[in-house]
Amino acid sequence: EDKVVQSPLSLVVHEGDTVTLNCSYEVTNFRSLLWYKQEKKAPTFLFMLTSSGIEKKSGRLSSILDKKELFSILNITATQTGDSAVYLCAVGGTSYGKLTFGQGTILTVHP
Amino acid sequence: EAGVTQSPTHLIKTRGQQATLRCSPISGHTSVYWYQQALGLGLQFLLWYDEGEERNRGNFPPRFSGRQFPNYSSELNVNALELEDSALYLCASSFYSRGELFFGEGSRLTVL
Repeated sequence: EDKVVQSPLSLVVHEGDTVTLNCSYEVTNFRSLLWYKQEKKAPTFLFMLTSSGIEKKSGRLSSILDKKELFSILNITATQTGDSAVYLCAVGGTSYGKLTFGQGTILTVHP
Repeated sequence: EAGVTQSPTHLIKTRGQQATLRCSPISGHTSVYWYQQALGLGLQFLLWYDEGEERNRGNFPPRFSGRQFPNYSSELNVNALELEDSALYLCASSFYSRGELFFGEGSRLTVL
């Protein structure tokens, strides 16, 4: 069965800090890894990483995928209070249409 | 462009009743997915519909069912409600089955 583990489970930082969120996975026939930000209800899509795209960047956020070591990291530089949210990692494998989600990392950014 | 819309926002039912949740995907998206997010648990995959057909389902009992209509909207039915069905039910859509999922705001189901 596919498995996704995120660490740390929670993180408290101050504005301006840089954070690194981790996601390790075990999946049969890896297809993709996705990062989402969940503030209240709807998870918001951040990045999708595949075999053909192992590094993505958007503004202060960036992510890399290590298919050999089976993990991904999400970096957020110069954090802002608006970055406070739950960050979810999900992987797609053999079972089409299904994403397996990790338990999430709760990020709190203090002013 | 409108995002994924779900209704109702909140729903309160009692044990044994049935609940119906509805979802309208982003225009142009043909795949619709349902996920359950119970308190303290991660998102759990429920169902995937594409072009009107159920393509995959997660490890949930048969009393969780649904369908997709010709306009690609979808509904999720939960029969014989149990207390542990209380959760946020999230619907998502994608342009194709391997694309990124875009989620709605969810329907909060409370079973008393």
